[in-house]
Amino acid sequence: DTGVSQNPRHKITKRGQNVTFRCDPISEHNRLYWYRQTLGQGPEFLTYFQNEAQLEKSRLLSDRFSAERPKGSFSTLEIQRTEQGDSAMYLCASSFGQGRVTNQPQHFGDGTRLSIL
Amino acid sequence: AQTVTQSQPEMSVQEAETVTLSCTYDTSESNYYLFWYKQPPSRQMILVIRQEAYKQQNATENRFSVNFQKAAKSFSLKISDSQLGDTAMYFCAFMKSMGAQKLVFGQGTRLTINP
Repeated sequence: DTGVSQNPRHKITKRGQNVTFRCDPISEHNRLYWYRQTLGQGPEFLTYFQNEAQLEKSRLLSDRFSAERPKGSFSTLEIQRTEQGDSAMYLCASSFGQGRVTNQPQHFGDGTRLSIL
Repeated sequence: AQTVTQSQPEMSVQEAETVTLSCTYDTSESNYYLFWYKQPPSRQMILVIRQEAYKQQNATENRFSVNFQKAAKSFSLKISDSQLGDTAMYFCAFMKSMGAQKLVFGQGTRLTINP
């Protein structure tokens, strides 16, 4: 079990630039989740994939945000035209599940910390 | 919508003491899961313990146990014989058992174990 891997660990960029993060889930996990965590707060759900299908998106995920999981393996989260308010830790998690039943816990990566200058 | 509330922003105890972290939640669901996650400083979120709402027996994992009161919608975490390595942010989280797979987290409790 190599765990959930996220890259990069840190990203510093200027306001208005585009950024892309990558998440590699645990290999046998078919479900992948993105969360955002601001300083001193609990993570907030952004979006969820089962295999390659994006099944749910939060209202937090504005039009500037897009996530993909093209082959049902790794996932990318892109933020276009970054704003100061996008500064946060972006967490990826994965789990295994079948059908609509949730019965396995989510395993988290180390996160990507985004800082907008 | 579900909400999770952790009313203790910070707690501090001496090593080897027992500490209890509080969590309450609000939901209209009858079947769901509750979790406690631990996030050490600058390290990844780790699952501590999980409780299935349809199980009356409280979950236990070594030094960690929960007090699950379904009617009161309360889910507290007890850490016995606390160790320095228990120092971390602790998050209580809720998940429906069907449908949407997202975790709903509380605001967290910063726990410090002092030597």
